[in-house]
Parts: sequence; structure tokens; C-alpha cells
Amino acid sequence: RKEVEQDPGPFNVPEGATVAFNCTYSNSASQSFFWYRQDCRKEPKLLMSVYSSGNEDGRFTAQLNRASQYISLLIRDSKLSDSATYLCVVSRVGSYIPTFGRGTSLIVHP
Amino acid sequence: GAGVSQTPSNKVTEKGKYVELRCDPISGHTALYWYRQSLGQGPEFLIYFQGTGAADDSGLPNDRFFAVRPEGSVSTLKIQRTERGDSAVYLCASSLMASSNEQFFGPGTRLTVL
Repeated sequence: RKEVEQDPGPFNVPEGATVAFNCTYSNSASQSFFWYRQDCRKEPKLLMSVYSSGNEDGRFTAQLNRASQYISLLIRDSKLSDSATYLCVVSRVGSYIPTFGRGTSLIVHP
Repeated sequence: GAGVSQTPSNKVTEKGKYVELRCDPISGHTALYWYRQSLGQGPEFLIYFQGTGAADDSGLPNDRFFAVRPEGSVSTLKIQRTERGDSAVYLCASSLMASSNEQFFGPGTRLTVL
């Protein structure tokens, strides 16, 4: 089983839709969680960190469920510009090495 | 300010050749990471430096891969006797410290081994 698993998609949604992705992690000692965004043929960029209490940044909400070992990303009112691959990133306690999931592809169409 | 830069942006080489990939991190960032990304996959950790020393090289696939950061700034990833399976995008990222939450990635070097 991979340490970080994501559904590769693609998720194909119309503008204005709400879409959610999950990411599961296998190591219960994981302690740092992030979502990165990667546009086609570009480098990954940090979208948001995921805190135990959950966090929201505009249309984006990230949640952590430690009991079930998954994190989620919710995007409300999708824009065409949200089309990208969303990478889930997890680090273990005491480790500065992040493990990336394979990414979930989102396509927002008019 | 300037972001992370990587050169070359593209490198085509023949099987068995030696290549060097360069990364110039953000000024003042002490931690520097190398990753490899294949099509349809997330970045795969190779090695990271804290300052001049390699803090963890557990992701290097074999002894054909080596990286240096002699002055704690620019880093070079070196691949000997390249194989077709080495073809991928090699990404470099830097952060203020290894414990920092955010890593800033360079645009990558697309390596093609024929």
C-alpha cells in the first residue's frame, strides 16, 4: 500500500460547482499535511496547509481526519482557473521529508 | 525577489552518458531538496541538504546518482551512466529551513535519455 493515495481523476466539473477530493495516508505517525497545486508542465506550488482544526482560505477548505487517516480539499464555486492537479503531501513526525501523492486532476469546464 | 532557478530546462542525452543538473535556490534558504517526477506521478524525494551537508539521501535510487551543495547555496545533481529509466522531470525546491512548512519549487529540468 502506498504511503499517500489519491484518486487520479480526472474530476470534470462545470463552473460554479463544488468539488471535493480526499487523500488517504497509511502512516499514523504522520503529522504535517499540505495541499499543493500543479498546473500542466509547471512546478508545484503550496495551496494550503492542513491543520487539525481544519482551515479555510476563500473558496478552499481543507480538513484532517486523523481517526480515518485522510485529508480532504473542498473547492466551492469552481473557476476555470482552478483546473490543475492537486497534490496531497504528508510528512511524518520528526521527518523533514515530504511524501507526495500522485495528484488528483481537476478540469473545470464552462 | 528571484525564485528557484534550474538549468538546463531541457536535457537530451544518450544512454550511458553523464549529466549534471543545476539548482539555484532562493537566497537565504538553507534547505534544498531534489525530487524526480514521472508523468502522472507526484514528485518523488531524492535527497535534501541542510546547509552544505546532505541531511538525507535515502531517496537516491542507486549509486549512479549523487548531489553536492559545496557552499550551501547552488546544488548540482549528477547522474552517471544514464539509463532510459532516468528520463523524468527533476525538480528542485528550497525552504528557509528544513522545518519550514512551505517549499518553493523551481521549474524543473526535463531529462530525456535516448
